[in-house]
Amino acid sequence: DVKVTQSSRYLVKRTGEKVFLECVQDMDHENMFWYRQDPGLGLRLIYFSYDVKMKEKGDIPEGYSVSREKKERFSLILESASTNQTSMYLCASSLGDRDNQPQHFGDGTRLSIL
Amino acid sequence: AQSVAQPEDQVNVAEGNPLTVKCTYSVSGNPYLFWYVQYPNRGLQFLLKYITGDNLVKGSYGFEAEFNKSQTSFHLKKPSALVSDSALYFCAVRDKDQAGTALIFGKGTTLSVSS
Repeated sequence: DVKVTQSSRYLVKRTGEKVFLECVQDMDHENMFWYRQDPGLGLRLIYFSYDVKMKEKGDIPEGYSVSREKKERFSLILESASTNQTSMYLCASSLGDRDNQPQHFGDGTRLSIL
Repeated sequence: AQSVAQPEDQVNVAEGNPLTVKCTYSVSGNPYLFWYVQYPNRGLQFLLKYITGDNLVKGSYGFEAEFNKSQTSFHLKKPSALVSDSALYFCAVRDKDQAGTALIFGKGTTLSVSS
């Protein structure tokens, strides 16, 4: 089974801090994704990556950046955390050769910015 | 532009009754369609997908979904609901004819199955 591991289940940070959310997948997937999930808004795509060192903006990239130095790891960075970034963050991965492959999700990081 | 609509925020059914969770989509080309389920404090789990071929797709935990091209719908169904099916369900779409695009998710439908 595919395993997508997010480094923290719960995280509390202060406004202005630089925050790193880490995600690792163990199935050699090319594609990796970061979403945030908010009640009533569903999942919104922040950034995604189809290969090492490449990234694409999703629907809501403002205030975030990403890093993909190795194929298995995709990091989400909040450059200067703000209270409106309090949310559930979900990482996902999928095979890259065909667009009909499902995404596999981690269990999420519930981030609170105080 | 791609979009997905789940018209019901919540669906309530009694255990043993059939359930339907609705999904409609909009893509410029042909769709790849997916259903996911999310239990509390967990990530999304893949249930089933439609790529091509038979319009009735069977997936995990006894769920199935019917693709209807004329109505641009992909409703999730189960003949007999279980209390353990209570969860948040997401429909997602990708345009088959636009390679490299990400999945678009609906806002989710909460399914509540009462005993």
